Amino acid sequence: EDQVTQSPEALRLQEGESSSLNCSYTVSGLRGLFWYRQDPGKGPEFLFTLYSAGEEKEKERLKATLTKKESFLHITAPKPEDSATYLCAVQAGSWGKLQFGAGTQVVVTP
Amino acid sequence: GAVVSQHPSRVICKSGTSVKIECRSLDFQATTMFWYRQFPKQSLMLMATSNEGSKATYEQGVEKDKFLINHASLTLSTLTVTSAHPEDSSFYICSAPAGTNYGYTFGSGTRLTVV
Repeated sequence: EDQVTQSPEALRLQEGESSSLNCSYTVSGLRGLFWYRQDPGKGPEFLFTLYSAGEEKEKERLKATLTKKESFLHITAPKPEDSATYLCAVQAGSWGKLQFGAGTQVVVTP
Repeated sequence: GAVVSQHPSRVICKSGTSVKIECRSLDFQATTMFWYRQFPKQSLMLMATSNEGSKATYEQGVEKDKFLINHASLTLSTLTVTSAHPEDSSFYICSAPAGTNYGYTFGSGTRLTVV
């Protein structure tokens, strides 16, 4: 059975304090690993898709990396507006279902 | 970009009534729509997958007679919660695959409260 585990559950950072979120997965035939940001009361906002081990993608202060067993979302010099829940999801079929992790709630204080 | 418009954003209904939630793809064709529910401080749980012009596929444990899904066109999918009860109160979100640049695009969600 496909499993996605995110850690830590919650992360409190000072503004400018870089950190990393982890997403470990077990899936047969990974087609893609997705990172989303979700603000309270809103739908998830797409950040990245990673397809193969060794792949990296960046967007502003965020950088996502992928290995055969896990993915990391690095937040560099975070700002308070980076506060959100970050969700990781895996896709195991062609535009098939996504299996989501429980998320990491990030709070960045000034 | 690829946008999925979801309405209403919030709805309060009385126990026993039905509520319809709409998701429209605004600038792309959504042949497939996924419907999720999310309880407070929990992650998204897939309820069902709908494909345009065919019956929806429901996840184990989801009552297909309670959560009616219609996907009659390439730009519109609806979820109707029938005979709603307080335990159906949740955050419902739709999502559609929108290409490699956008991944799966999500609607803004519907907060359903059954009183």
